[in-house]
Amino acid sequence: DVQLTQSPSFLSASEGDRVTITCRASQGIRSHLAWYQQKPGTAPKVLIYAASTLQSGVSSRFSGSGSGTEFTLTISSLQPEDFATYYCQQFNSYPFTFGQGTRLEIK
Amino acid sequence: QVQLQQWGAGLLKPSETLSLTCAVYGGSFSGYSWTWIRQTPGKGLEWIGEIDHSGSTNDNPSLKSRITMSVDTSKNQFSLKLRSVTAADTSVYYCARRGVTVVRGVLNIPYNYYYMDVWGKGTTVAVS
Repeated sequence: DVQLTQSPSFLSASEGDRVTITCRASQGIRSHLAWYQQKPGTAPKVLIYAASTLQSGVSSRFSGSGSGTEFTLTISSLQPEDFATYYCQQFNSYPFTFGQGTRLEIK
Repeated sequence: QVQLQQWGAGLLKPSETLSLTCAVYGGSFSGYSWTWIRQTPGKGLEWIGEIDHSGSTNDNPSLKSRITMSVDTSKNQFSLKLRSVTAADTSVYYCARRGVTVVRGVLNIPYNYYYMDVWGKGTTVAVS
């Protein structure tokens, strides 16, 4: 199985900050990576797919980059609604594994 | 707008069978793969498996021997059964749709890119 390791696991930031979350794959997954945002009590919501393509309706504050084994999700200017947990998921090979999550909290 | 509505028993005893069903409303059932994912505080998100409209499945090897997935195209529904549950199967279970976008790459070669774009609200299942 492909292991996805996110860093950091916990991030404290302020409104207006620019933050970056990293997802590293245990083997190359080309660009077959998606990013999700999850708020307490709700299902995850897709933000980015194909490593860098913004899902329709998602704010342009979110951007993704990377290929192979290293990927990043960047939020350009944090808004109150962005404080949540973020996950990456790979679709290069079965089973479609997830990263362990990065919890983003207000400083 | 596609919506997924899921249901199933929320409290099981060890060794019983977990049974969940997810209904698809407002969109096409064929042409997609329909997925089960679970989430626990300790293990995070775990992909369980998927099934398409023809009944073709892909399972997580860690659960494969205990899983049965099925589809009822007449009702636009798909189901999950997980046998011989233990406390370790206590989770929130989600059904979801695997969306796909085709992107033309170098030499105009098409590549499919996937993502989970529609989710059910989740069903909390406790084994005790």
